[in-house]
Amino acid sequence: DSGVTQTPKHLITATGQRVTLRCSPRSGDLSVYWYQQSLDQGLQFLIQYYNGEERAKGNILERFSAQQFPDLHSELNLSSLELGDSALYFCASSGGQGNQPQHFGDGTRLSIL
Amino acid sequence: GENVEQHPSTLSVQEGDSAVIKCTYSDSASNYFPWYKQELGKGPQLIIDIRSNVGEKKDQRIAVTLNKTAKHFSLHITETQPEDSAVYFCAARDNYGQNFVFGPGTRLSVLP
Repeated sequence: DSGVTQTPKHLITATGQRVTLRCSPRSGDLSVYWYQQSLDQGLQFLIQYYNGEERAKGNILERFSAQQFPDLHSELNLSSLELGDSALYFCASSGGQGNQPQHFGDGTRLSIL
Repeated sequence: GENVEQHPSTLSVQEGDSAVIKCTYSDSASNYFPWYKQELGKGPQLIIDIRSNVGEKKDQRIAVTLNKTAKHFSLHITETQPEDSAVYFCAARDNYGQNFVFGPGTRLSVLP
């Protein structure tokens, strides 16, 4: 058990909709990372937060946004969903502000119909 | 930016044999090289890592070697077992901690 909790495990929605994915980091970890994993793209880094502040940004679309709350949990918001957004979304956490994810959750599988 | 290549993309071995997965990186400033194992339906799990001041690191049946001159590093699994079947990802991070890139992954199948 990595200690990282992601909800929901599965999400099915339609194009044009908006969804929110939630992540609780491992106890004591201050950094949260979001990754997108699709069959043909591997693990793509989206964004990192450290103690509530945005720390690094990767290939995150403008339709996507994230935030980390004072209790350190994080939410990834995906809007105007397209078929191509169907993927596994992983959250990871680590103790420091360096961008090396140490503990991954089991992901949220997003399916766009 | 950093680019990480990984080979092979799929690997099948007989139980008890060894498996080797190789990665190359492009940024000579990279100094941290972790390996992750992803089992079906799970998130990646950090299994071993190596820093640039070390040439080899072992942890039971798993070892990682690093050749900084050639800019490649490898994961070695000895005495493979069916539970080693998973997708393995290598990654590289630069000296400033600004660039952390995963390889595309290797699907390892250990045949009983």
